[in-house]
Amino acid sequence: SQQGEEDPQALSIQEGENATMNCSYKTSINNLQWYRQNSGRGLVHLILIRSNEREKHSGRLRVTLDTSKKSSSLLITASRAADTASYFCATNQAGTALIFGKGTTLSVSS
Amino acid sequence: KAGVTQTPRYLIKTRGQQVTLSCSPISGHRSVSWYQQTPGQGLQFLFEYFSETQRNKGNFPGRFSGRQFSNSRSEMNVSTLELGDSALYLCASSQSDHSYEQYFGPGTRLTVT
Repeated sequence: SQQGEEDPQALSIQEGENATMNCSYKTSINNLQWYRQNSGRGLVHLILIRSNEREKHSGRLRVTLDTSKKSSSLLITASRAADTASYFCATNQAGTALIFGKGTTLSVSS
Repeated sequence: KAGVTQTPRYLIKTRGQQVTLSCSPISGHRSVSWYQQTPGQGLQFLFEYFSETQRNKGNFPGRFSGRQFSNSRSEMNVSTLELGDSALYLCASSQSDHSYEQYFGPGTRLTVT
């Protein structure tokens, strides 16, 4: 069963624009992770945010976590065509496996 | 360090057959997890192995099984294949458990006809 649910399911933007994806989950978590997948290939880890953190940055990526609302957002600034991919959030509870959402498909056109 | 490798990359099997997929984790990683990815169900967790022991298991029938060897390499087996088993099977390794980032392999694309 899915723990995290991403919103929107699909997003189309122009190069240079910002892209924001949201993730909502149902139960308390240990940490939340974001991954990227290019066209049916393996997933690449982007960023991990722990339950006691509110915001993390990595290059053009900014992730926020609101445990009171059980939600997270991923912001990609100044998008590039190479950012075209599917983005997944995944939640972890202590001692359990990582559970993935169904993802947001991002399309960046030049 | 070499990344996670999976073999074979593509596989075509017939209903009723069985299949074995292999995964070699990043050197030093002791946790290996397997996921099934389909367009309809998304990414679903199959199982996780740590030091040759199954530590977590997803909600899949007993036809899906796995094991881990002393060198941390892992195999998963699917017996009596069904059409619905057609999927991308992904292996991931990590230092310890799922509270750490997972490093994914390129996947094995299984097609059941």
